[in-house]
Amino acid sequence: DAGVIQSPRHEVTEMGQEVTLRCKPISGHNSLFWYRQTMMRGLELLIYFNNNVPIDDSGMPEDRFSAKMPNASFSTLKIQPSEPRDSAVYFCASSLGYGIGSVTQYFGPGTRLLVL
Amino acid sequence: GIQVEQSPPDLILQEGANSTLRCNFSDSVNNLQWFHQNPWGQLINLFYIPSGTKQNGRLSATTVATERYSLLYISSSQTTDSGVYFCAVDPYNTDKLIFGTGTRLQVFP
Repeated sequence: DAGVIQSPRHEVTEMGQEVTLRCKPISGHNSLFWYRQTMMRGLELLIYFNNNVPIDDSGMPEDRFSAKMPNASFSTLKIQPSEPRDSAVYFCASSLGYGIGSVTQYFGPGTRLLVL
Repeated sequence: GIQVEQSPPDLILQEGANSTLRCNFSDSVNNLQWFHQNPWGQLINLFYIPSGTKQNGRLSATTVATERYSLLYISSSQTTDSGVYFCAVDPYNTDKLIFGTGTRLQVFP
């Protein structure tokens, strides 16, 4: 299995631009998670999906952030408009099973985002 | 909200040494997980352990939920154990996963 795939691996953009991060979970997994990691705030869970349905998006920092999962094999995290404080590494993870704390999550390599 | 504290923040070891990492949490939780982030940034889920003890090779973890802490033991450390170890908790009656600030481990040959 190829594991969780994220694209792009690196993104540099200017403030105000739209950014779209993509994730392909492991085939057969039914939960998907988006995380953000910064030096200041550490690792934060932004949103997660069970069977393509968003379960909890209270971690999404602002209305500028949105996430979708149109099917079991693809999810996007969009930031519009982007701001310098959005610079971070964004991780996607998937798991077989439900629940936030009781399943083994498999992480993608992350997307390093820099907003100038 | 719940507080998750890890200690020590930094740990430097020579290869072959043993170590214990601690995670304290301030409220009741459904579950607790340990993660390792290697120096290249890759995150790996090590254990989910709401209570009791689990072992996987040279790593083991113990959670005492009633006293609100968990310990991660690394025996005979290797340079490949270097990185940051995070614990994360799933507080009661929430759908959240709250991470600790991590312990940065450096193992030298």
